Amino acid sequence: AQSVTQPDIHITVSEGASLELRCNYSYGATPYLFWYVQSPGQGLQLLLKYFSGDTLVQGIKGFEAEFKRSQSSFNLRKPSVHWSDAAEYFCAVVAFPGQGNLIFGKGTKLSVKP
Amino acid sequence: NAGVTQTPKFQVLKTGQSMTLQCAQDMNHNSMYWYRQDPGMGLRLIYYSASEGTTDKGEVPNGYNVSRLNKREFSLRLESAAPSQTSVYFCASSENWGPDTQYFGPGTRLTVL
Repeated sequence: AQSVTQPDIHITVSEGASLELRCNYSYGATPYLFWYVQSPGQGLQLLLKYFSGDTLVQGIKGFEAEFKRSQSSFNLRKPSVHWSDAAEYFCAVVAFPGQGNLIFGKGTKLSVKP
Repeated sequence: NAGVTQTPKFQVLKTGQSMTLQCAQDMNHNSMYWYRQDPGMGLRLIYYSASEGTTDKGEVPNGYNVSRLNKREFSLRLESAAPSQTSVYFCASSENWGPDTQYFGPGTRLTVL
């Protein structure tokens, strides 16, 4: 069955430092990959997605992610974190065809130190 | 353009009570979804409606029913609430079923005593 693993439950970084959040997926074919962000008490907002083509994708708020097929990974990065980036981040995959629904990882909570 | 709206925002129920969570979208999307979010579990799909007139079970459908009332509205019903259904419930919609961006509502925080 398809699955998504986010190995880090909670990460703390200093404001201005770089960030990388890890995501690994399990799916035989080329997956459709997403990163969503959830601010406290809010719904989820799409940061970026990868369907095909260039393996480095740019998203909103200065985030980017790189698809590495050989490592089954889709890690999220930001060069310089801002205090407003404190939130929970979810990686998700759609294993299509075969299954059309989003399968979410368990999330990584990001805290930002001043 | 409100996107996806959910009512109510908060609800407290006693075990055995019933209630319906309402969801509406104004983006003319074909597909709609209900998720629950529990600490450390991510989001899990309860039911979805790939298109108006169809509904299907997701990962955790037990204890829930859904109705796709029309293209805009998708409701989730708890017939006899249990403490295990204490959770935050999110509705989402997408233009089409499959690899498409889903847009989420603000959530309903439900407590079952």
